[in-house]
Amino acid sequence: EVQLVESGGDSVQPGGSLRLSCAASGFTFSTYEMNWARQAPGKGLEWISYISGSGIDVRYADSVRGRFTVSRDNAKNALYLQMDGLKAEDTAIYYCARDDSPAPDSKHAFDLWGQGTMVTISS
Amino acid sequence: DIQMTQSPSSLSASVGDRVTITCRSSHNINNNLNWYQLKPGKAPKLLIYAASALQSGVPSGFSGSGSGTDFTLTISSLQAEDFATYYCQQSLTTPYSFGQGTKLEIK
Repeated sequence: EVQLVESGGDSVQPGGSLRLSCAASGFTFSTYEMNWARQAPGKGLEWISYISGSGIDVRYADSVRGRFTVSRDNAKNALYLQMDGLKAEDTAIYYCARDDSPAPDSKHAFDLWGQGTMVTISS
Repeated sequence: DIQMTQSPSSLSASVGDRVTITCRSSHNINNNLNWYQLKPGKAPKLLIYAASALQSGVPSGFSGSGSGTDFTLTISSLQAEDFATYYCQQSLTTPYSFGQGTKLEIK
């Protein structure tokens, strides 16, 4: 089955760290660009990070640049988001999402999403 | 950065109604515009990509149009399962910004 499954969400104190994982299955993971997005309680969707299939090209939203690090292990079909210096405003459901086609044909629409993992930042 | 503005932010409608949601970008994004449906507790679902292309498996009652800075999502005849929140997203350049969402509620 083609799917993405996130894990690693937890409740941590401000200033803490978390590492989210996204397990991919049912498709050739290494050929797809991947993204992280989030939805804070009562708020809309926010794109936060992109990574190319090779992992060489990474991009971030201003809100997380310098604190979050995206990476991938194509041998393990896994995507990661290392989150450091967490703030209350990082409280959200975090989703991993796949670009619609293997590079270079992707139009960067997100055609496959996981169910999300909840991150709560609170003292 | 490209800003995306959706309207309305909420909408009440009845089963069988025709509904249109609009999305405006702050810059010309050609046809690099996608629409998603979000329901609580479920994974977001891609409905329309490249402004007007229907994603595989999405009912034909959904359609998208527009180019440049102005776009619309139309649901031709609302079904019970269509009550959800809808988001537009530009995919021309990072940050891949979303609109603020349109919550479609049952009248």
